[in-house]
Amino acid sequence: EAQVTQNPRYLITVTGKKLTVTCSQNMNHEYMSWYRQDPGLGLRQIYYSMNVEVTDKGDVPEGYKVSRKEKRNFPLILESPSPNQTSLYFCASSFSTSSYNEQFFGPGTRLTVL
Amino acid sequence: EDKVVQSPLSLVVHEGDTVTLNCSYEVTNFRSLLWYKQEKKAPTFLFMLTSSGIEKKSGRLSSILDKKELFSILNITATQTGDSAIYLCAVTDSGGYQKVTFGTGTKLQVIP
Repeated sequence: EAQVTQNPRYLITVTGKKLTVTCSQNMNHEYMSWYRQDPGLGLRQIYYSMNVEVTDKGDVPEGYKVSRKEKRNFPLILESPSPNQTSLYFCASSFSTSSYNEQFFGPGTRLTVL
Repeated sequence: EDKVVQSPLSLVVHEGDTVTLNCSYEVTNFRSLLWYKQEKKAPTFLFMLTSSGIEKKSGRLSSILDKKELFSILNITATQTGDSAIYLCAVTDSGGYQKVTFGTGTKLQVIP
């Protein structure tokens, strides 16, 4: 089944404890992206990647890192999480970056930082 | 900075009603406007609009873009309870399709 998977789906952690949220797609998509969704603020793009080893900042990259070493994986790293990073996170992927293609979203990761 | 504003923020209607959701935008170099539906989980794609005045239609849903006035509307006719969701509008700019700016969404509740 074609899908985007994220792990973990739920995470409660403490300030300063490094964490990684994994994202994987099995559709051979070039483009992958991370968003956070907060009440009243909607979906905001954190980072995106146009292909292996090619990443760029979205609107809210502060406090996050990403890497794209393989086409299928695009992990989101929080080196030192803070309570303002408590949010619902979505990973998304699409086929190509040369034209807009429908983005497929993962199921979301609900992160709470205490 | 690109900006997308959706209205109303929330809406409650009865089954069978027709609703119109609004999306206005400011983007330096407009490329496309997107509509997504978000139920309890992840957003799912509805429409992409790039040309002014051309209606996109899928069943009871339709959308149109006005590039002169910088807005789009999403219409849902004969609403059903399954239409209850958050509807998200987003824009991409000509810098590429990679950067996507979303609005805060319109929460639609359809009651029997």
